[in-house]
Amino acid sequence: GQQLNQSPQSMFIQEGEDVSMNCTSSSIFNTWLWYKQDPGEGPVLLIALYKAGELTSNGRLTAQFGITRKDSFLNISASIPSDVGIYFCAGQGGSYIPTFGRGTSLIVHP
Amino acid sequence: DTGVSQDPRHKITKRGQNVTFRCDPISEHNRLYWYRQTLGQGPEFLTYFQNEAQLEKSRLLSDRFSAERPKGSFSTLEIQRTEQGDSAMYLCASSLASGRPRMNEQYFGPGTRLTVT
Repeated sequence: GQQLNQSPQSMFIQEGEDVSMNCTSSSIFNTWLWYKQDPGEGPVLLIALYKAGELTSNGRLTAQFGITRKDSFLNISASIPSDVGIYFCAGQGGSYIPTFGRGTSLIVHP
Repeated sequence: DTGVSQDPRHKITKRGQNVTFRCDPISEHNRLYWYRQTLGQGPEFLTYFQNEAQLEKSRLLSDRFSAERPKGSFSTLEIQRTEQGDSAMYLCASSLASGRPRMNEQYFGPGTRLTVT
């Protein structure tokens, strides 16, 4: 099935560094969602965005809904070891059925 | 724990056998979704229910896949005559359908890992 373009595919960073990842689509979405998934577990919702241009923070996480409604980015500031995991973006249209990206795998070296 | 639960967490079966997975959504949520996730991919939508009505099933992977939600609460996903390619994580999510986008956020269960040998 269709999956969104998410980059980078993986990131290896030092603890304390900032992280940025993004997601693009050929389709317009009404909602952008960012999830984190730990090994063997289901995705956990981090941030939800509902309006073009919206910038939302959740602790050290900040995400933005692109003006074109076809992209979104997620920033993590001052990374810590527990940030390790796979981050997924998802776009939703009017049907509220999300289309997911392929994920960004984050590894944080202490 | 009032989150989404799934049972079993792991299932190993032989090719050709039937398997059934169960999902219990968050109690006040009226929508329930099933996804499949393979290694290195994001969740892939399969089907969803609003209450007991199955509103979208065209993306079930084949006619060997079926899902039910008979009383609008828990749901089951059945795979008949399993094949090795069915090995994957099967995820369930639930949401509260509303005209307000913020109410439609999906919350996922821990998944059922299926291995077909």
